[in-house]
Order: sequence, then structure tokens, then C-alpha cells
Amino acid sequence: LAKTTQPISMDSYEGQEVNITCSHNNIATNDYITWYQQFPSQGPRFIIQGYKTKVTNEVASLFIPADRKSSTLSLPRVSLSDTAVYYCLVGATLNYGGSQGNLIFGKGTKLSVKP
Amino acid sequence: DAGVTQSPTHLIKTRGQHVTLRCSPISGHKSVSWYQQVLGQGPQFIFQYYEKEERGRGNFPDRFSARQFPNYSSELNVNALLLGDSALYLCASSLRDDTNTEAFFGQGTRLTVV
Repeated sequence: LAKTTQPISMDSYEGQEVNITCSHNNIATNDYITWYQQFPSQGPRFIIQGYKTKVTNEVASLFIPADRKSSTLSLPRVSLSDTAVYYCLVGATLNYGGSQGNLIFGKGTKLSVKP
Repeated sequence: DAGVTQSPTHLIKTRGQHVTLRCSPISGHKSVSWYQQVLGQGPQFIFQYYEKEERGRGNFPDRFSARQFPNYSSELNVNALLLGDSALYLCASSLRDDTNTEAFFGQGTRLTVV
């Protein structure tokens, strides 16, 4: 099962760009890399997903090098409302039934944005 | 469209009791998964159901069980509650049963066991 490693916490100021890097050395060929955001007492919310190179949407960019052993979530010009825990996930393959439906969350990165 | 809805939002139970948590997925989503999140940790996978069949089970004791109904809603049951079962229980729905599909989470049910 692919595991991820990311910093426990990060601090930033409003208006700055924030980059959160995640290591996933054992990522499988078929796995995508997905990032979720979670506010206190709420369920995680999908931010972005990618397989290789760069993906950009209206809230973030995801950079994935050629070896896919790491990825970087980039949040442009953060605001106070971006204070949350950010999780990096890669696909999981179970040993039976061929199902890959369970998401494996680590402890995530707690981002604190200050004024 | 309504998002994933969970009920109840909060619940207080006594040790040894039984609890049933409910989840309604987004319309059209056939996969429902359950996660347990204790304070300070990431969500931990409990079960996944797809088309009313169990597709995955996490490392949880047999006191935990679940099912999915014909309308794709789901229930999570926990018997013989322990203090350590106190957590936020999250339900997620998705179109497909693989991890490369975006999962939509509900707000969760906060269970407190006293």
C-alpha cells in the first residue's frame, strides 16, 4: 500500500503562495495523486487530482515530477479561510476483490494562515 | 443537488450501547464509504459498499457493521460501544468504486461515548 509523508504543519501569511510537498515513494503505476482539504468538524473536500506533470484548477495547482515519487500542492495567494488540514493521498489496492475504493489518509499538513 | 447527508449530526451514547448512523449519498452515486476520524488524526477507512455489496473493510473489530440499501443509502452500526469509539464518523459517496474517483464527504456524525 502506498504511503505518504508530508509536513505536520506549515505557517503562512495572507497573500503568499503556499507549497506543500508530499512524498509517496511506493506509488503504483495506476495510482493517481489526490489532495483533500478539511476544516474542523467537517468532512474532507476534494481539491485536486493528477497523474503526472502539472494540473491546475480554480483553487490550486499540483506539480508531479517524472518519477512520481513526490508531489507539490500549490495554493496561490492564500487567505485566512485557507487555514485547514491538507491531506495527500494515493490510490490503495486491496488484496482481495480487486476493489480500490478505500482512501488512506495520513495525519495531513495543518496550514495556518496569519493576517 | 444535495450533497452527502448524514444523520444524526451529534450523538451521545453510553458504553455497551448500540448505535446506528445513516448516510444518504449524492444522487447517482453508487459507492458509499465510511471513515472514523479521532481528534488529531486523519480519517481511517471502515467500510466501502458499491452496488449494495461490500467491497472493502478496514481494520476494525466485528462490532462494526454496515449495509447499503437499494436506494444506495447506507447505515453503519456499532455494537457494544467503547469509550474509544468516540469520534467523527464520515460518510463519502462517489460515482465509482476506485480511489481515482472524487469522493464527496458528508459533514459527519460526532459520536461521544460516555
